[in-house]
Amino acid sequence: EVQLVESGGGLVKPGGSLRLSCAASGFTFSSYTMNWVRQAPGEGLEWVSSIRSSGGYMYYSDSVQGRFTISRDNAKNSLYLQMNSLRAEDTAVYYCARTWTVAGTDYYLDVWGKGTTVTVSS
Amino acid sequence: AIQMTQSPSSLSASVGDRVTITCRASQDIRNDLGWYQQKPGKAPKVLIYAATGLQGGVPSRFSGSRSGTDFTLTISGLQPEDFATYYCMQDYNYPRTFGQGTKVEIK
Repeated sequence: EVQLVESGGGLVKPGGSLRLSCAASGFTFSSYTMNWVRQAPGEGLEWVSSIRSSGGYMYYSDSVQGRFTISRDNAKNSLYLQMNSLRAEDTAVYYCARTWTVAGTDYYLDVWGKGTTVTVSS
Repeated sequence: AIQMTQSPSSLSASVGDRVTITCRASQDIRNDLGWYQQKPGKAPKVLIYAATGLQGGVPSRFSGSRSGTDFTLTISGLQPEDFATYYCMQDYNYPRTFGQGTKVEIK
């Protein structure tokens, strides 16, 4: 079964750091672009970051550029999001999602985890 | 970044109704658009990919269409399990961008 399981969420003070993880199983992780998407309480979906299959290319939203770092370990079938300088507006459920990738071209998000909650508050 | 303008933000409909939701892209994105359904407390799920492709396992009452930079999700014969929030997302380039969402509620 194709599965993504996020972990690492929690309560952190403004200015603090947190590292999210996403464990993948049931598919060849190293072949797919992976993503983080978040959803603030009562709000819509916001794409946060993506990383290509080899880890050579990363993309970020303007709202997290310079504060968050996406990475992956293909040997461990794992995706990460290092979040620094956290702000109250980073409070959200963070979803890990797989991009359907064919011949190196990224398409839609076809598999999603259940999410992990990050709360930034003093 | 490409802006995705989704409308309406909410709608009320009855079981059996035909429902249409629209997303307009701020520039040409070819057919590079997906539609996602999200139920409360759950992760999103893709319904339509490449503007018109039906994802495996999704009922055929869901369909997508494109006219230029306007994209439409149609639900033909709304079912009780379809009451949810729907989002479009362009996958033409990075940064990826979502529409604001449309909440489909029971009339």
